[in-house]
Amino acid sequence: GAGVSQSPRYKVAKRGQDVALRCDPISGHVSLFWYQQALGQGPEFLTYFQNEAQLDKSGLPSDRFFAERPEGSVSTLKIQRTQQEDSAVYLCASSLKVETSSGNEQFFGPGTRLTVL
Amino acid sequence: RKEVEQDPGPFNVPEGATVAFNCTYSNSASQSFFWYRQDCRKEPKLLMSVYSSGNEDGRFTAQLNRASQYISLLIRDSKLSDSATYLCAVTTGGFKTIFGAGTRLFVKA
Repeated sequence: GAGVSQSPRYKVAKRGQDVALRCDPISGHVSLFWYQQALGQGPEFLTYFQNEAQLDKSGLPSDRFFAERPEGSVSTLKIQRTQQEDSAVYLCASSLKVETSSGNEQFFGPGTRLTVL
Repeated sequence: RKEVEQDPGPFNVPEGATVAFNCTYSNSASQSFFWYRQDCRKEPKLLMSVYSSGNEDGRFTAQLNRASQYISLLIRDSKLSDSATYLCAVTTGGFKTIFGAGTRLFVKA
């Protein structure tokens, strides 16, 4: 079956532009995560959804970052007034169940590589 | 201090070597532990979950030491195809997953 998909795969934005990144999780997966990965670093947790509810947004770097999952499936990460420090790969992951425990694997999408000029 | 810290690497080893990665975590309430593999410009993929009793999958062995708050990954008989970045990940509060910075492994012929 299809895995997690993300679009666009690459995005170049001018500083100050708004961008929207899309994630299509695996069908039926309850949990959805967004991560930011800078070059040479591990993924950094941004936010978590359980169905349509955003249960944790503690990792969002600033109020310019906003995520939604209105119908409990597709999710969008929006970044307003992009800055150069926002340049990174944005990864989406989904998992079948609620809790991230052994046996409840997170499946990652290919990521969106954002470059802010 | 970062919540999850890994050996800085990179590790350069010949084929057939045994290599060990260590990872420490700071939150004693952490519940679940994982090793992920990430190839260059690809997404992370789960390699192994790490159980308290330790677990083995072929050439890979993972260990957890809750008292000392570290996890380890041992790769025996390294293959060229094992070259990748290895990320440890720790989950707290049921879902919030914190990744280490990763350790890069180069296996050479």
